[in-house]
Amino acid sequence: ETGVTQTPRHLVMGMTNKKSLKCEQHLGHNAMYWYKQSAKKPLELMFVYNFKEQTENNSVPSRFSPECPNSSHLFLHLHTLQPEDSALYLCASSQKLADAYNEQFFGPGTRLTVL
Amino acid sequence: AQSVAQPEDQVNVAEGNPLTVKCTYSVSGNPYLFWYVQYPNRGLQFLLKYITGDNLVKGSYGFEAEFNKSQTSFHLKKPSALVSDSALYFCAVREASSYKLIFGSGTRLLVRP
Repeated sequence: ETGVTQTPRHLVMGMTNKKSLKCEQHLGHNAMYWYKQSAKKPLELMFVYNFKEQTENNSVPSRFSPECPNSSHLFLHLHTLQPEDSALYLCASSQKLADAYNEQFFGPGTRLTVL
Repeated sequence: AQSVAQPEDQVNVAEGNPLTVKCTYSVSGNPYLFWYVQYPNRGLQFLLKYITGDNLVKGSYGFEAEFNKSQTSFHLKKPSALVSDSALYFCAVREASSYKLIFGSGTRLLVRP
């Protein structure tokens, strides 16, 4: 999985901690996404970036703060999370946001546990 | 609004037998349809997609899917299952006018030796 990488792969944090998830894509894509995958629930789209500009915030609580400094890097800053935020956070990228037929390429995910 | 349904939480099949994982969708326009597979502790891997043209789409690892417009279905198939095919499979749909990829809830495929 060298196309889209995510770090860390596992993260345990307390509710008062601040941490960041990092995603990097090596595919030359222009669109990047954050998804949340919880047990027994469909994947939830959180944020979409197109050419570094945020185009979608899918009603995500403000304790999740994305950052996209360039088309290759995407961060998700976390602060004062709740135990129900424990999930697998997946980053994805695609060639062009406007081309609906482009498949998305996913990273391996960060398994987050909030204590 | 777009939606995807995967009616089976789990599909069990014996190795060597054909497998089918079902998916139905609902969109207001022309759909773009995708199948992804997820192995334990991994991200989603793209298997195949339908854009237009031939209703039978061939993808990675010997998988194929059949687009049926009248039944609004896009079932995933493989003629002969392998134990290594055991994983979680997701169907997804996207309308041409939307940039949101909507995923189904996933179907766990278990191939027994």
